Amino acid sequence: GAVVSQHPSRVICKSGTSVKIECRSLDFQATTMFWYRQFPKQSLMLMATSNEGSKATYEQGVEKDKFLINHASLTLSTLTVTSAHPEDSSFYICSARLAEFGETQYFGPGTRLLVL
Amino acid sequence: KQEVTQIPAALSVPEGENLVLNCSFTDSAIYNLQWFRQDPGKGLTSLLLIQSSQREQTSGRLNASLDKSSGRSTLYIAASQPGDSATYLCAVRRDNNNDMRFGAGTRLTVKP
Repeated sequence: GAVVSQHPSRVICKSGTSVKIECRSLDFQATTMFWYRQFPKQSLMLMATSNEGSKATYEQGVEKDKFLINHASLTLSTLTVTSAHPEDSSFYICSARLAEFGETQYFGPGTRLLVL
Repeated sequence: KQEVTQIPAALSVPEGENLVLNCSFTDSAIYNLQWFRQDPGKGLTSLLLIQSSQREQTSGRLNASLDKSSGRSTLYIAASQPGDSATYLCAVRRDNNNDMRFGAGTRLTVKP
């Protein structure tokens, strides 16, 4: 199956700093990538959908100026958490989809963010 | 707005037992439904994908069924093993806009 990687797998940062998370599709070109967030013991919540070369579409309640998404190429999407605060501590998961692979989304391993 | 519910929230069974996990959704107009497995602190592993026109999918010891009209799906795990211990999530995709809604998951523990 298709492989999606995320980097870093874990990150600890101080409040007020910005953190960038990378999501890469390793063996296919992803026309669409998705970013999810999961708080402890809760389900995944879709944050935003990004298509290569265009602006991301954010879900209601997700601040686009705080969570910057860049999908500059067909194999890379980045999520930058700007001015992170402790309440942003969460598990961030990306997924990628290519229409030729059917409707299945392929998920990355996730990035655990802890903001002190 | 689509609501996805999974029951039970947690389940503990002895090894070898057959079990059923339940998923219900409020809007029957779905595009497809997918079952995932999530190990603690890890990402998701796709288990089975059922298109809206299908009734069930099977992979090894896993069988997933879909009843769109009643808004239900079940994941059947045969002859459970300790390695099956994980959180199982179901997610529905509402349409071609690629949006998926997840349930909160069922945390399964299979005891040796």
